[in-house]
Amino acid sequence: AQSVTQPDIHITVSEGASLELRCNYSYGATPYLFWYVQSPGQGLQLLLKYFSGDTLVQGIKGFEAEFKRSQSSFNLRKPSVHWSDAAEYFCAVGPPNSGTYKYIFGTGTRLKVLA
Amino acid sequence: NAGVTQTPKFQVLKTGQSMTLQCAQDMNHNSMYWYRQDPGMGLRLIYYSASEGTTDKGEVPNGYNVSRLNKREFSLRLESAAPSQTSVYFCASSEAAGAKGYTFGSGTRLTVV
Repeated sequence: AQSVTQPDIHITVSEGASLELRCNYSYGATPYLFWYVQSPGQGLQLLLKYFSGDTLVQGIKGFEAEFKRSQSSFNLRKPSVHWSDAAEYFCAVGPPNSGTYKYIFGTGTRLKVLA
Repeated sequence: NAGVTQTPKFQVLKTGQSMTLQCAQDMNHNSMYWYRQDPGMGLRLIYYSASEGTTDKGEVPNGYNVSRLNKREFSLRLESAAPSQTSVYFCASSEAAGAKGYTFGSGTRLTVV
């Protein structure tokens, strides 16, 4: 069955520290991969996406993610976290060129940033 | 450019009441979606519309109906609200096939008492 797993429900880091949020997926083929961020009371905003090609993708707000086919993972990273990065982060996968448009979302990782 | 606009932002219903959640996008996107967000469960797809004139069930369609009124608007209706439908509802839109990701609205927080 198709699924997305975000193993960490909560993560706390100090401001200025590095960050890695994990995402693993189960899918029949290499899907489209996305990371979204949700600030409190807001909708989700697209951070970055992967379709094909270079396995390290850059996104907005200084985030990057690396696709590892052998591990079925798409982990999100940031070298130095800012207090404004405190939010909930969602990984999502979608079918590549299938004509259907349904993405599967992970359950989210809530990031807390300590001053 | 407003993106995706949802109304209302908050709503309290009594069990058995009906209501319609409205969603409109101004990006000329073909596809639109309704998700619900519940703690610890991420986002689950209720219904989607791949293009104007078509709608399809998602993962959790029971108790809901949708209407794709035109290319811009996609509404979600609760005919007889139940406490289990207490949730935050998000509308999203995308270009054809969603290859560029979704644009989300800011959500409707619905409480059914």
